[in-house]
Amino acid sequence: EAGVAQSPRYKIIEKRQSVAFWCNPISGHATLYWYQQILGQGPKLLIQFQNNGVVDDSQLPKDRFSAERLKGVDSTLKIQPAKLEDSAVYLCASSLAGAQEQYFGPGTRLTVT
Amino acid sequence: DQQVKQNSPSLSVQEGRISILNCDYTNSMFDYFLWYKKYPAEGPTFLISISSIKDKNEDGRFTVFLNKSAKHLSLHIVPSQPGDSAVYFCAASALDYGQNFVFGPGTRLSVLP
Repeated sequence: EAGVAQSPRYKIIEKRQSVAFWCNPISGHATLYWYQQILGQGPKLLIQFQNNGVVDDSQLPKDRFSAERLKGVDSTLKIQPAKLEDSAVYLCASSLAGAQEQYFGPGTRLTVT
Repeated sequence: DQQVKQNSPSLSVQEGRISILNCDYTNSMFDYFLWYKKYPAEGPTFLISISSIKDKNEDGRFTVFLNKSAKHLSLHIVPSQPGDSAVYFCAASALDYGQNFVFGPGTRLSVLP
């Protein structure tokens, strides 16, 4: 069974630029999550999708972050414009509907200079 | 406001001995807990879980203990193996309230041969 795929694995941008991350969850997983993990901290949930609907985006900085999962499968997370404090690893995870165990992708390490 | 705390950033243990990783939480509504293990450049992988109706759950070399009155849980690994060297995250959720998981900052375990 293929795991959660994410791309790119690494990205370096200057502040005020835009960036987008892509996630392909495990086939059949209805629930998709995006997390931000700042160095030395645990993952922090940014947004949760159930199929193509948003369940929880209470911690998403909506003035600069956006995410979509148009067909209920792949998802993209965008930051526009980026700030220095956005430097982090962005993790995508997926799970079966109603399941607690989440399967994480390898993450995208973003560095904003 | 850290709702989930892992006060030991790192822990070193000799191969074959017991590793004990601790986690404390502040939110009394938390009713479900997970432990994840993370290797460098990979996403976290699920290890073991426990519901608040139990005080212990075992899976092979891994046992999680929950002390609800103290708002404390611990992960025991016995015997510890070099392959267990990783960062371990504790995560908690108030599932009955439909809340998502909150992760602790992690503890880096080094198992020395």
